[in-house]
Amino acid sequence: DAKTTQPNSMESNEEEPVHLPCNHSTISGTDYIHWYRQLPSQGPEYVIHGLTSNVNNRMASLAIAEDRKSSTLILHRATLRDAAVYYCILRDGNNDMRFGAGTRLTVKP
Amino acid sequence: ETGVTQTPRHLVMGMTNKKSLKCEQHLGHNAMYWYKQSAKKPLELMFVYSLEERVENNSVPSRFSPECPNSSHLFLHLHTLQPEDSALYLCASSQEPGAVYEQYFGPGTRLTVT
Repeated sequence: DAKTTQPNSMESNEEEPVHLPCNHSTISGTDYIHWYRQLPSQGPEYVIHGLTSNVNNRMASLAIAEDRKSSTLILHRATLRDAAVYYCILRDGNNDMRFGAGTRLTVKP
Repeated sequence: ETGVTQTPRHLVMGMTNKKSLKCEQHLGHNAMYWYKQSAKKPLELMFVYSLEERVENNSVPSRFSPECPNSSHLFLHLHTLQPEDSALYLCASSQEPGAVYEQYFGPGTRLTVT
C-alpha cells in the first residue's frame, strides 16, 4: 500500500487558516486521498476525501497537487474544537484503511 | 452525532474471562469494521463485514471472534485475552466497503486486560 508522510505536529492561532500537508509520492492512479481527524477521547471522524480534483465541504477543503504526489487539508478558520490528530490516508480498492501517526494540530487562543 | 454506538465504553477483564463488545449503527450502512488502537501504534484494521459476511480478517488471533448478525449490529467476542490486548477498540461503518466511501466511527470501548 502507498504510504503517506505528515509532519508530527503543527500549531495554529484561533480564527486563522491552517494548511496541513501530506506527501504521498508513491500514490497510484486509483488511490483515493482521505482525511480523518481524531479528537481526544473520541473515535476518528471523517473530514474529506478526493481523487484528482480539489474538494470542498462544510468542514474543510482538500487541495490535490496536479501530479497527485501531495495534498493539503485546509481549515479556513481554525477553532479550539479543531485541535486533534489529523490523518492523511490513501485508499485503493481494498477495504484496508491504514492510519499512520498523523499530525497533531494545536490551536492557540 | 456519529450514528455509531458502542457498548460498553469501558471494560476491565481478567485473562480468563469471556466478554463481548457491541456496536450498532443507525445509518443504514452495509459495511462494518472493527479496529484496534493501542497506545503506541496506529489504528489497525481487524475485521471487515459486508452485508453480514466477513470479507477481511487481518491476521487477528483467534481469541478475538467477530459476529455480525445483521447489517446494523456487530459484536466482538473476547476470550482468554492477554495484557497486550489492552487498547481502544473502535467500530466503524460505511455505506459500502471500498475506497470511495467514508467511514463513520463509534466512540470506542476502552479495554483493560488484567
